[in-house]
Amino acid sequence: AQKVTQAQTEISVVEKEDVTLDCVYETRDTTYYLFWYKQPPSGELVFLIRRNSFDEQNEISGRYSWNFQKSTSSFNFTITASQVVDSAVYFCALSEYNTDKLIFGTGTRLQVFP
Amino acid sequence: DVKVTQSSRYLVKRTGEKVFLECVQDMDHENMFWYRQDPGLGLRLIYFSYDVKMKEKGDIPEGYSVSREKKERFSLILESASTNQTSMYLCASSPGGVTEAFFGQGTRLTVV
Repeated sequence: AQKVTQAQTEISVVEKEDVTLDCVYETRDTTYYLFWYKQPPSGELVFLIRRNSFDEQNEISGRYSWNFQKSTSSFNFTITASQVVDSAVYFCALSEYNTDKLIFGTGTRLQVFP
Repeated sequence: DVKVTQSSRYLVKRTGEKVFLECVQDMDHENMFWYRQDPGLGLRLIYFSYDVKMKEKGDIPEGYSVSREKKERFSLILESASTNQTSMYLCASSPGGVTEAFFGQGTRLTVV
């Protein structure tokens, strides 16, 4: 069965600290997609990244970076030099090949204090 | 910009009422979804639709039904609301091809 685990329920950091949000997934498929979404206090989920199972290159976008490791079934998300505006709930999600149905983790609430 | 609009931000209904949650998207997306978000459980898929009048059950369809008469609109129906359906409901749409989904702002439903 497909499953996404975000073991960290809540993380608190002080501004400018680096923080890593963990995501571990389970799937039987060889082709699948992994996503990260951000949910700020306004409630609307915002897409951050999509990665397919054949692309293990790490990705960097500004202060955000993602580390995909198939060997450990992990897709971790790091925020460098965190800011108060990064405070949100972050969700990792999985979809299998040829379907847009998303299986979400339980989310990690990140609080960044000034 | 893609916009997914949910008709209500907050809703309070009584047990046993029939409840309609409406969702409209303006980008001609093929797929639409209804998720439910609960603390500690993340988002769970209730129903999704990949075309007009087509629907498939998600992981937790019990107590819900859906309607998609037009491509841009996807309605979630609680036939007889119960207190355990108190939750945040999120609608989403996607163009297909396993691309990103776009979410509405959510409807926080309280059943009393």
